[in-house]
Amino acid sequence: SQQGEEDPQALSIQEGENATMNCSYKTSINNLQWYRQNSGRGLVHLILIRSNEREKHSGRLRVTLDTSKKSSSLLITASRAADTASYFCATASSGNTPLVFGKGTRLSVIA
Amino acid sequence: GAVVSQHPSRVICKSGTSVKIECRSLDFQATTMFWYRQFPKQSLMLMATSNEGSKATYEQGVEKDKFLINHASLTLSTLTVTSAHPEDSSFYICSASLAPGAFFGQGTRLTVV
Repeated sequence: SQQGEEDPQALSIQEGENATMNCSYKTSINNLQWYRQNSGRGLVHLILIRSNEREKHSGRLRVTLDTSKKSSSLLITASRAADTASYFCATASSGNTPLVFGKGTRLSVIA
Repeated sequence: GAVVSQHPSRVICKSGTSVKIECRSLDFQATTMFWYRQFPKQSLMLMATSNEGSKATYEQGVEKDKFLINHASLTLSTLTVTSAHPEDSSFYICSASLAPGAFFGQGTRLTVV
């Protein structure tokens, strides 16, 4: 069953602006991961944040995790047209369990 | 890094035929692999968990006799869609866990005509 819920479902911004996507989940997690998926293509792993971490950076990506609120956010700074894709959060209750995906946010970056 | 290879990437088959999709972990052993399905503009939904040397466990609503899973070795799991119908057309993707992360195959676009 779906656990993560992304917000917003769709986001359209101008190139150079920042994009923020939020994810909420329902149960305890071991880690939370963010993925990108270009239309009709496979998944690209972006970043993993463990349950005992609060913030992580990777290039133009910044992820936060608030386990008390069961929520996470993904910030993409200085967006580019190439960032146009769907972004999914996924949670794992342990290291060897399947990921539960949210519904995703469709990001459009307009040049 | 760990690599999971999925084959084929695209397949078109006639209604009533069977299609086999392979998922291989190339540089690590995966006792457990997962199969997901994604319909257009929707998220990934877990179909089943493939366990090496034992029966797969299926999620509710997934027909085990239609989606046959075999995990005969520590590096290979296969998903066979039997007697495919147009409503089985979807994007199928496998993953293998290498704690704490998960590694995904490239996905298979199945079109049943």
